[in-house]
Amino acid sequence: SQTIHQWPATLVQPVGSPLSLECTVEGTSNPNLYWYRQAAGRGLQLLFYSVGIGQISSEVPQNLSASRPQDRQFILSSKKLLLSDSGFYLCAWKGRLNTEAFFGQGTRLTVV
Amino acid sequence: DAKTTQPPSMDCAEGRAANLPCNHSTISGNEYVYWYRQIHSQGPQYIIHGLKNNETNEMASLIITEDRKSSTLILPHATLRDTAVYYCIVRVANRDDKIIFGKGTRLHILP
Repeated sequence: SQTIHQWPATLVQPVGSPLSLECTVEGTSNPNLYWYRQAAGRGLQLLFYSVGIGQISSEVPQNLSASRPQDRQFILSSKKLLLSDSGFYLCAWKGRLNTEAFFGQGTRLTVV
Repeated sequence: DAKTTQPPSMDCAEGRAANLPCNHSTISGNEYVYWYRQIHSQGPQYIIHGLKNNETNEMASLIITEDRKSSTLILPHATLRDTAVYYCIVRVANRDDKIIFGKGTRLHILP
């Protein structure tokens, strides 16, 4: 069966520090991969999505970037975190034959 | 993808059926209606989807109007664990692109 791993569960980082969140999927190949952010009390905002290795689509201009170095690995990064980067970050995958998306458990990032 | 409109919040008594509406008046012929829910501090969970026929699974039922301009998600016997934000999304199935969530409906199950 397919599983999605996202870590860490919580993270506290100072302003100006770098960020790297990793998401990996098991049990499937060539999935669509997604990064979402949810600010406190707000909705889910799509940040990036990828339909293949090295293919990244950015939805909103921001202080973040994404990379897909391997088929089932999706990384969210920042060189210098801002206070506004705080939020709940969710990774998701969708298979070519599956119509629904499956989400990880999320990373709660607090920038201080 | 077509836009959806949902009420921001709803209450339902425990044990009763919860009926969550969604309007999607600009839906195209090849777009499906999907429902997800997000329990607090967790990732969204897929519930059900349909094209034009009513659908039922172990979690819920989906009723789509004949003109497909609106739909209703039904939780037949709501429990406290059904308290969550419910998202209605309209999109073409199996298309390789983004999945956009709206603001959803915050469902409160009252004991």
